Amino acid sequence: GDKVKQSPSALSLQEGTNSALRCNFSIAATTVQWFLQNPRGSLMNLFYLVPGTKENGRLKSAFDSKESYSTLHIRDAQLEDSGTYFCAAEAGSAGNKLTFGIGTRVLVRP
Amino acid sequence: NAGVIQTPRHKVTGKGQEATLWCEPISGHSAVFWYRQTIVQGLEFLTYFRNQAPIDDSGMPKERFSAQMPNQSHSTLKIQSTQPQDSAVYLCASSLPPYEQYFGPGTRLTVL
Repeated sequence: GDKVKQSPSALSLQEGTNSALRCNFSIAATTVQWFLQNPRGSLMNLFYLVPGTKENGRLKSAFDSKESYSTLHIRDAQLEDSGTYFCAAEAGSAGNKLTFGIGTRVLVRP
Repeated sequence: NAGVIQTPRHKVTGKGQEATLWCEPISGHSAVFWYRQTIVQGLEFLTYFRNQAPIDDSGMPKERFSAQMPNQSHSTLKIQSTQPQDSAVYLCASSLPPYEQYFGPGTRLTVL
């Protein structure tokens, strides 16, 4: 819900272009995870982040705990990048459970 | 490694019947989580176990829902007297805390 605000809610990208997704947290997030849910419904873990930046191929993610936000950058978007991206935060006081955003539906067009 | 296994993949129950959902975590993972996904509410935390002990069930509806982890290789989520509003995809995840959670394919529960 409002504890993790994810934007935009939907995104249409031309193949080969770049884009960025963002999450803002109103909870004291200590770690962030990004997931991609494919059309069959499987959730695949993309990144696990403590404050800082990680990169994996065409994806790059950052988490700033002081400013309470995280970003996911997609470079050179491919058709297989289509799906719904979720960010989820762990708040240290709440143990290891994840609080999810509502997701960003990404469609990559040829 | 087969990943997190959830059975059944689909379950249809009549209103008032019981539903039991099963989860087998990744071998060696000490934490098991249950979440629920609906169009309206999105992904919601239900409960989790660490080393088989219940740690946090703050997301569980107070009545009719219960979860157990009798051994390190499986966990169950039981819903008694199912209602149409219980219809959802129930997702199980496991992790080696404090690291990333790996999700199973989910069980789609439909209550008629």
